[in-house]
Amino acid sequence: KAGVTQTPRYLIKTRGQQVTLSCSPISGHRSVSWYQQTPGQGLQFLFEYFSETQRNKGNFPGRFSGRQFSNSRSEMNVSTLELGDSALYLCASRGGGQLNSPLHFGNGTRLTVT
Amino acid sequence: QKEVEQNSGPLSVPEGAIASLNCTYSDRVSQSFFWYRQYSGKSPELIMSIYSNGDKEDGRFTAQLNKASQYVSLLIRDSQPSDSATYLCAVFLGIGNQFYFGTGTSLTVIP
Repeated sequence: KAGVTQTPRYLIKTRGQQVTLSCSPISGHRSVSWYQQTPGQGLQFLFEYFSETQRNKGNFPGRFSGRQFSNSRSEMNVSTLELGDSALYLCASRGGGQLNSPLHFGNGTRLTVT
Repeated sequence: QKEVEQNSGPLSVPEGAIASLNCTYSDRVSQSFFWYRQYSGKSPELIMSIYSNGDKEDGRFTAQLNKASQYVSLLIRDSQPSDSATYLCAVFLGIGNQFYFGTGTSLTVIP
């Protein structure tokens, strides 16, 4: 079974630009979550999508948005990039039909904002 | 107080020893607990899930859960240099129905 696939692996953007990250979950998984990981803050929850609906949201500004498609693939968008947005962005999917089934992470997209 | 707390380390153990990693959490309604291993520059990898009080063993790994004391631990027996990584504790909390992660404990196994 293929794992969670994230594209691209690396991105370099300039302040003020916007960026879109993509995530394909494990086949059959309908829940997709996004996390930001930085050395100082650890893993911070951005949002979770389930069946094309945002089920949960973390404490990030509105510049961070996401969506999920009917095939469960998800995209995350960050607008008006700031230097502090430089981080590893991780997508995780889970299945099992239960809220507490474990997360399975993709390889991440490393975003650098200059 | 953070929802999930771990000692950041670094923790160093000699090869063949037992590494003990600890995690405490704040929400008494927490349901599920997970340990992830993250190698430098890589993404977190699930190594253990535990849902009920007591011990759960998987190979060289043992997860221990004590809901009354609100802690979960991970023991790694016969530690190997390949176990050198950051270990993340994750808790699925009743508050907000979401996962919360500790900041991780860095483990180094010295050959």
